[in-house]
Amino acid sequence: QQPVQSPQAVILREGEDAVINCSSSKALYSVHWYRQKHGEAPVFLMILLKGGEQKGHDKISASFNEKKQQSSLYLTASQLSYSGTYFCGTEGSFKAAGNKLTFGGGTRVLVKP
Amino acid sequence: GAVVSQHPSWVICKSGTSVKIECRSLDFQATTMFWYRQFPKQSLMLMATSNEGSKATYEQGVEKDKFLINHASLTLSTLTVTSAHPEDSSFYICSARYASGRETQYFGPGTRLLVL
Repeated sequence: QQPVQSPQAVILREGEDAVINCSSSKALYSVHWYRQKHGEAPVFLMILLKGGEQKGHDKISASFNEKKQQSSLYLTASQLSYSGTYFCGTEGSFKAAGNKLTFGGGTRVLVKP
Repeated sequence: GAVVSQHPSWVICKSGTSVKIECRSLDFQATTMFWYRQFPKQSLMLMATSNEGSKATYEQGVEKDKFLINHASLTLSTLTVTSAHPEDSSFYICSARYASGRETQYFGPGTRLLVL
């Protein structure tokens, strides 16, 4: 079952912050975040594993609350380059190889000057 | 991150012809490759999971005989759209993964298919 992302879209001014949420109805082992620019393939941002960890990359960070089956992506002091569609991909359980990800519907982010 | 290539990047073909798309993992061995289809402004729709040396696992509603997948080696998977029709026009993206759990999927640049 597809995870639910919210909001569907957000418009920011450069320097502003935003939060993107990803919720699942099933227990999660991992959450993967990607950003896709128009006409391009998704680019990997970060992976969060079961255990409630939080990660960061530059001014983009994410948290994973396994009890709530939720993950949040934080865009801090947004830059123009942050514009794109963000997808979360979820994995329900650990598997030796080949586990597929189920992607959310995406959140469109537009950062304006 | 790992590098995945796709070829061709775009293709225009006539209705009824077959089109082959290649997906290669350039700097790692992919135990599993995935094929997605994406329509404009929509999410990624998984078509099939491909494991080296075995038959692909197709998602519900995806025609196996229409979308042929071959995973010949740990670095190459191919998707062949047979007897393509205009409704098959889409953005096809592959991804590769070398282990589950602590590793993620890395996407190729995608192939835009237009069937006339």
